[in-house]
Amino acid sequence: NAGVTQTPKFRILKIGQSMTLQCTQDMNHNYMYWYRQDPGMGLKLIYYSVGAGITDKGEVPNGYNVSRSTTEDFPLRLELAAPSQTSVYFCASSYSSVRGTPETQYFGPGTRLLVL
Amino acid sequence: AQTVTQSQPEMSVQEAETVTLSCTYDTSESDYYLFWYKQPPSRQMILVIRQEAYKQQNATENRFSVNFQKAAKSFSLKISDSQLGDAAMYFCAYIKHNDMRFGAGTRLTVKP
Repeated sequence: NAGVTQTPKFRILKIGQSMTLQCTQDMNHNYMYWYRQDPGMGLKLIYYSVGAGITDKGEVPNGYNVSRSTTEDFPLRLELAAPSQTSVYFCASSYSSVRGTPETQYFGPGTRLLVL
Repeated sequence: AQTVTQSQPEMSVQEAETVTLSCTYDTSESDYYLFWYKQPPSRQMILVIRQEAYKQQNATENRFSVNFQKAAKSFSLKISDSQLGDAAMYFCAYIKHNDMRFGAGTRLTVKP
């Protein structure tokens, strides 16, 4: 049981390049999330998904896209990288309670992205 | 919009002593979850403790406990018998359906 895995661990992009950050979970969680953490700051929600085929915007979605074709995978796409997207990106997953509220989030190890 | 505020950017504690980290939040909801996460230098986010708002009893996990004051919208974390391994960034988080917010964090230093 690997939990939440993310690839790559670190990447350098040039301005205008595109890339996909991969995230996979093996806990059969219905909820999945993408956060970014800027230096010295807390996490901010980019996108989330409540199940396969369903995604929605979080607090800071501009410049990103997501898809959720399976329960396990939730990739994050950066189309035109900008220096403002330099950050550490965390993927997380959780199950929902019987009342429908997402419960404890389990995090991946993070992807450090540097846009130059 | 809901906000989560951690008013202490940095805290320091002597090994074996007790320290309390503060967190306040803003919400109009009555049912939600609150969490404390620890982030060591490895950057891995580790769950410390969680509290369900509909439960009046304060959550405890070994040396970690919370003081949940629902009316005051306060959710502080108490670490007893502090250990060197407790040194990390601590984040308070609020979750309700599609609203998930984290505080800016408190950096805890443990002095030997």
